[in-house]
Amino acid sequence: DTGVSQDPRHKITKRGQNVTFRCDPISEHNRLYWYRQTLGQGPEFLTYFQNEAQLEKSRLLSDRFSAERPKGSFSTLEIQRTEQGDSAMYLCASSPGTGSYEQYFGPGTRLTVT
Amino acid sequence: SQQGEEDPQALSIQEGENATMNCSYKTSINNLQWYRQNSGRGLVHLILIRSNEREKHSGRLRVTLDTSKKSSSLLITASRAADTASYFCATDAVGGFQKLVFGTGTRLLVSP
Repeated sequence: DTGVSQDPRHKITKRGQNVTFRCDPISEHNRLYWYRQTLGQGPEFLTYFQNEAQLEKSRLLSDRFSAERPKGSFSTLEIQRTEQGDSAMYLCASSPGTGSYEQYFGPGTRLTVT
Repeated sequence: SQQGEEDPQALSIQEGENATMNCSYKTSINNLQWYRQNSGRGLVHLILIRSNEREKHSGRLRVTLDTSKKSSSLLITASRAADTASYFCATDAVGGFQKLVFGTGTRLLVSP
């Protein structure tokens, strides 16, 4: 399977714990995006990487959130001191970049904070 | 916050009927895209229309774009039960680094 993969698919954690999600984009896609989706809503942009550079962050991304893409391939999204309001689906997408605008989404990681 | 609004929020039709969903947005765009999402899953890209295009077809899908009204519509012809899903429009705003701003979605139910 050469699509975007995300791990884990589901995560249940207690309030205050730290969690980390991983995204593996389609090979050779240099753009990688993180979105968050709550129930009944469309996805909302969190952050964007071009290769290893994080070029934009949403105001939704508080200082408890950090994302990395260390070698321009996979990416991680970490949430520290989770809160119940962090419960959502976290979606990763990649795109080839120049000249191609479609984004290819992974299956998402569903986070539940209890 | 969401960029756009979609209308209707929910749509229920019979197999074989056509389904039309509308999307409105707020800013100048490079392109507008439509995605489908089956319950609890990731999004699947359906079709992209550029800001200088007015209509585009892909199989049973027809998309229109009116940049003067900042609106788009998605028509699914001869719908099937397998088309049951949520449909989202997403805009790639000018100067937005290709980040997508999604609408609120239309939940489509196609009954056999």
